[in-house]
Amino acid sequence: EAQVTQNPRYLITVTGKKLTVTCSQNMNHEYMSWYRQDPGLGLRQIYYSMNVEVTDKGDVPEGYKVSRKEKRNFPLILESPSPNQTSLYFCASRVQRNTGELFFGEGSRLTVL
Amino acid sequence: RKEVEQDPGPFNVPEGATVAFNCTYSNSASQSFFWYRQDCRKEPKLLMSVYSSGNEDGRFTAQLNRASQYISLLIRDSKLSDSATYLCVVVTGGGNKLTFGTGTQLKVEL
Repeated sequence: EAQVTQNPRYLITVTGKKLTVTCSQNMNHEYMSWYRQDPGLGLRQIYYSMNVEVTDKGDVPEGYKVSRKEKRNFPLILESPSPNQTSLYFCASRVQRNTGELFFGEGSRLTVL
Repeated sequence: RKEVEQDPGPFNVPEGATVAFNCTYSNSASQSFFWYRQDCRKEPKLLMSVYSSGNEDGRFTAQLNRASQYISLLIRDSKLSDSATYLCVVVTGGGNKLTFGTGTQLKVEL
């Protein structure tokens, strides 16, 4: 089954404790992206990657890091989480740069205390 | 001005009604446009692309007006199962940047 898998789905952590949210897709997509969704602000892009070893900042990259060492994986790293990073995070992928059909993971709800 | 703007709603409509949503965008160089559907606490899923000539998929019709910089979604004969949040998406930056609207919430009632 074609899918984007994120883990963990739910996480409560404390300020400053490094965490990684993993994302894996089995569709051989070149393009992958991370979004956060907050009430009233909609989905905002954090980082995206056009292919292996190619990453770039989205609209809200501060406080996040990513890596793309393999085509299928695109982890999101919070080196020192803060309460303003409490949000619902989505990973997404698509086959071509110029299409809008993103396939989303089920989301990861992160709470930073 | 936001890059992509939508009326957040909620739109409460009776079953069988016709409802329309608009979405305005600010970048005249925007390349492509889409409507996504998001159910409560779930991931967004592509509903349909939006073409300049307008396009239809069953009860759903999408339109693009480049001159006025807006896209629209029309839902005919609303079903209870259409209750969801509808997100418009505008693509710019050579296809790298997808900007989502904040979504319009639709509630279809008996």
